[in-house]
Amino acid sequence: QKEVEQNSGPLSVPEGAIASLNCTYSDRGSQSFFWYRQYSGKSPELIMSIYSNGDKEDGRFTAQLNKASQYVSLLIRDSQPSDSATYLCAVNMRGSTLGRLYFGRGTQLTVWP
Amino acid sequence: DTGVSQNPRHKITKRGQNVTFRCDPISEHNRLYWYRQTLGQGPEFLTYFQNEAQLEKSRLLSDRFSAERPKGSFSTLEIQRTEQGDSAMYLCASSDKGQWGTEAFFGQGTRLTVV
Repeated sequence: QKEVEQNSGPLSVPEGAIASLNCTYSDRGSQSFFWYRQYSGKSPELIMSIYSNGDKEDGRFTAQLNKASQYVSLLIRDSQPSDSATYLCAVNMRGSTLGRLYFGRGTQLTVWP
Repeated sequence: DTGVSQNPRHKITKRGQNVTFRCDPISEHNRLYWYRQTLGQGPEFLTYFQNEAQLEKSRLLSDRFSAERPKGSFSTLEIQRTEQGDSAMYLCASSDKGQWGTEAFFGQGTRLTVV
């Protein structure tokens, strides 16, 4: 079983809509969760980190964590064409080196005008 | 300091040649990681340094790969006798000392093409 799974998409939403990106992970003891944005041909850019159950908001982005369900999501409100990118979910698993991340394959998001 | 810096950005090499990549982390960060990413996949962990000590290596890091971080500053990743399967984006990331949940910031990456 892959440690971090994401719906691969592609996900396509109109400008102004809410984009919802989902991620599940296998290690129930994981403590740290991250969302990275990656534009085509570029490197991953950290956009959100979350460590506790519940929601964490930063501008148009909201990360949601449910450790009991081993589920983390990213909501993008008022989506813009510039949000079109691949979104990577990353997890630091229990017992692994601090900061070592396990990544999902990413969800490709397209926001059309 | 504006972030993690990697050089070169692109490298094309012939199969069998050796290549070396450099990573300069964010100056106050003592943790440094190397990852590899192929098309359509998320980054995969290769190795980790805390200061100058290489504390973990993935099984992906074959004997042809070696990494160093002298004096706990910049790091180099060398691939000997390159193979076509080594073609990938090589990413370096750094993070600050923290209790847990340290955020890692990536450099621009080095894209390697082995022909």
